[in-house]
Amino acid sequence: DAGVIQSPRHEVTEMGQEVTLRCKPISGHNSLFWYRQTMMRGLELLIYFNNNVPIDDSGMPEDRFSAKMPNASFSTLKIQPSEPRDSAVYFCASRTGGSPLHFGNGTRLTVT
Amino acid sequence: QKEVEQDPGPLSVPEGAIVSLNCTYSNSAFQYFMWYRQYSRKGPELLMYTYSSGNKEDGRFTAQVDKSSKYISLFIRDSQPSDSATYLCAMNSDSSASKIIFGSGTRLSIRP
Repeated sequence: DAGVIQSPRHEVTEMGQEVTLRCKPISGHNSLFWYRQTMMRGLELLIYFNNNVPIDDSGMPEDRFSAKMPNASFSTLKIQPSEPRDSAVYFCASRTGGSPLHFGNGTRLTVT
Repeated sequence: QKEVEQDPGPLSVPEGAIVSLNCTYSNSAFQYFMWYRQYSRKGPELLMYTYSSGNKEDGRFTAQVDKSSKYISLFIRDSQPSDSATYLCAMNSDSSASKIIFGSGTRLSIRP
């Protein structure tokens, strides 16, 4: 079991640039979650998908954020345009049914 | 007021000590309680998963839930330097509910 795979591990970009974060969930898991973690706000749920369909995106901070899940094995989180306050660690997690979440190792985003 | 409150620490104890980590919550509908451990630059990993009130033991770890007080605890016996990490509590109202609420995490350091 390879676990949840996220890429890139680190991303440094300039304000105004587009950022795309990628996630491959555990095979067979039908729910995928995107979280953001900062010192100030802790772990915040941004959006989650069930069977590739977005169910709740109420945590997405602004229209600059968008997420897609074109198939069961891939999801992207895009920020366009990026701002310094978007700097955080972004985690992807997956699960099936009521099982606990399995997290990836995150993407550390720095926007200068 | 946050739904889940957790002291961020840091907490530093000598090796071999008993560690007590705690969270309080406000939503009486919460029934499923979890503890995650997060090492530096890694994703959170599930440590303990409990339902409703009571105790659950797994090796050196004991999770305790007191629903009447809306208070949960994680005890670590015979603490080891390898236990040094951030510990996050998490909870939800239904095992399949996707809105899992996380505490902000307590940073724990075990001194050799």
